[in-house]
Amino acid sequence: GENVEQHPSTLSVQEGDSAVIKCTYSDSASNYFPWYKQELGKRPQLIIDIRSNVGEKKDQRIAVTLNKTAKHFSLHITETQPEDSAVYFCAASTNAGNMLTFGGGTRLMVKP
Amino acid sequence: GAGVSQSPSNKVTEKGKDVELRCDPISGHTALYWYRQRLGQGLEFLIYFQGNSAPDKSGLPSDRFSAERTGESVSTLTIQRTQQEDSAVYLCASSPHAGRGTQYFGPGTRLLVL
Repeated sequence: GENVEQHPSTLSVQEGDSAVIKCTYSDSASNYFPWYKQELGKRPQLIIDIRSNVGEKKDQRIAVTLNKTAKHFSLHITETQPEDSAVYFCAASTNAGNMLTFGGGTRLMVKP
Repeated sequence: GAGVSQSPSNKVTEKGKDVELRCDPISGHTALYWYRQRLGQGLEFLIYFQGNSAPDKSGLPSDRFSAERTGESVSTLTIQRTQQEDSAVYLCASSPHAGRGTQYFGPGTRLLVL
């Protein structure tokens, strides 16, 4: 089955700096890669997703890149703000509606 | 419109007892998923339902876990003879159709087995 590894497990940045979180996956059949943000005690919320037919997708301060050959994808947050502080999870599946295999999460702390 | 809802929000039970967790998906969503999240960890897939197809139970950790879904609406996850290692947040998600569409998560049920 699919295995998703996520790094780093914790990331501390200064407000205004960029943050990068990386994930690798094992199943070459995976073609859908969402990223979720989870604030303490809250439900995971989708922030961006990418499908395997594109290499990069951007939404304001958030971007995701995908390298299918190397089987890795990354989340980039620019101009970080304290409200970006949360746990971020990457995930992979063989289709947008199939079950997701999640990475272990990255706790992002943005210091004012 | 209303999002995914789950009940109860918290459940404390004694080891050996059975528990039932409920999920109400977004209206019109045909796909429904259950995940488990242990403290400080990622989400583990348990089971998913798509319409009237047989559910994918490949993530259920033991035969003490089972789930049912009535048509394309409510689902219940049942854990029999609970163990302390079952303590976790159980999250439900729904999507418009398996094979496309974002998964939207409910708030979860926090289960504590004493």
